[in-house]
Amino acid sequence: DAGVTQSPTHLIKTRGQHVTLRCSPISGHKSVSWYQQVLGQGPQFIFQYYEKEERGRGNFPDRFSARQFPNYSSELNVNALLLGDSALYLCASSFEGANEKLFFGSGTQLSVL
Amino acid sequence: GESVGLHLPTLSVQEGDNSIINCAYSNSASDYFIWYKQESGKGPQFIIDIRSNMDKRQGQRVTVLLNKTVKHLSLQIAATQPGDSAVYFCAENRDNAGNMLTFGGGTRLMVKP
Repeated sequence: DAGVTQSPTHLIKTRGQHVTLRCSPISGHKSVSWYQQVLGQGPQFIFQYYEKEERGRGNFPDRFSARQFPNYSSELNVNALLLGDSALYLCASSFEGANEKLFFGSGTQLSVL
Repeated sequence: GESVGLHLPTLSVQEGDNSIINCAYSNSASDYFIWYKQESGKGPQFIIDIRSNMDKRQGQRVTVLLNKTVKHLSLQIAATQPGDSAVYFCAENRDNAGNMLTFGGGTRLMVKP
């Protein structure tokens, strides 16, 4: 069975641009979460979606937005990119979305120049 | 892929020895805890989890201990192997209605052959 898949794997953008990252959860999983991992640190929670509704939002600016589609895949959008947005963006899925283990993808490495 | 954890605390052990990785968590109301392993260029991989109504849980070669009194979590790896070399993160779920994990800073485990 396929795990969590993310695309693209690597991306280079310049300041001020916007970016869209994509995630497909494990088959049967209804919840998708997004995390940002800056080099040398643990992942930091950005968003959680369950059944296409936002269930939680971390301490990130409004430049960050996300959505979940009827097939449970998800997109993370970041507008007006800053140098500090350079990070590994991880998507994770879970079955029901509450108090259960998350399965992570390999991430999208975003570099903002 | 991008290397994670360049400035993390490091635990160096001999192959075949037991490893103990410690973690302090902050929220006494957290109900669910997970240990993840992250290799370079990959997303976090689930190792073992524990709920707050338990103080010990065992898996294959791994044991997690939870001390709620001092808000401390530990991961024990028996007979450590070179393939165990990675960065290890503990995570707590502070929202029992969701899956918003808060990750610790991570520990790099290096196994010497």
